Amino acid sequence: AQSVTQLGSHVSVSEGALVLLRCNYSSSVPPYLFWYVQYPNQGLQLLLKYTSAATLVKGINGFEAEFKKSETSFHLTKPSAHMSDAAEYFCAVSRQPTGMDSSYKLIFGSGTRLLVRP
Amino acid sequence: NAGVTQTPKFQVLKTGQSMTLQCAQDMNHEYMSWYRQDPGMGLRLIHYSVGAGITDQGEVPNGYNVSRSTTEDFPLRLLSAAPSQTSVYFCASSYSTVQGTQYFGPGTRLTVL
Repeated sequence: AQSVTQLGSHVSVSEGALVLLRCNYSSSVPPYLFWYVQYPNQGLQLLLKYTSAATLVKGINGFEAEFKKSETSFHLTKPSAHMSDAAEYFCAVSRQPTGMDSSYKLIFGSGTRLLVRP
Repeated sequence: NAGVTQTPKFQVLKTGQSMTLQCAQDMNHEYMSWYRQDPGMGLRLIHYSVGAGITDQGEVPNGYNVSRSTTEDFPLRLLSAAPSQTSVYFCASSYSTVQGTQYFGPGTRLTVL
């Protein structure tokens, strides 16, 4: 079974500081990993995704994430936070259907709310 | 392109009432899904469809029905609303089932009294 754990329901940083949002996953087969962002009163939009190509993935708005198989992690980073980055961020995992389980599921973490202080 | 549209944006129901949440997309995506979002729980998959005429259950399907008669539309039916179904509901669509970017609608905020 797949699962996603996001460490920290709230993360607060100062404007200009490093942003680090943590995501750990479990999957019995090679995963596909995603980060989505949700601004207030809106739906989710994709920031970036890992689909077994390069382990360092660059996304929109200066965000990037690194797939580390040995640590089963896919942490999201941005060198310098901007006020407009304040939002909720979701890590999600999916995988190819297998002979044992042909269903498709995209599993989301519980989310991390990023607060940016002036 | 309008993308993914959802109606209504807000709805209040009484326990036991039924209703249909509408979802439509104009991107010719085969894959569509319904999620519910509750505080501290992220998004949980209710039902999904990999094409017209094909639907399957997600993590939390009880109390909900879906059908997919066309590629564009994927309505979600609440059969007999319960307070536990108070949530924000999102519809999403994508080109690919596993690797594809999911495009989300703006959501429907449902309150069941």
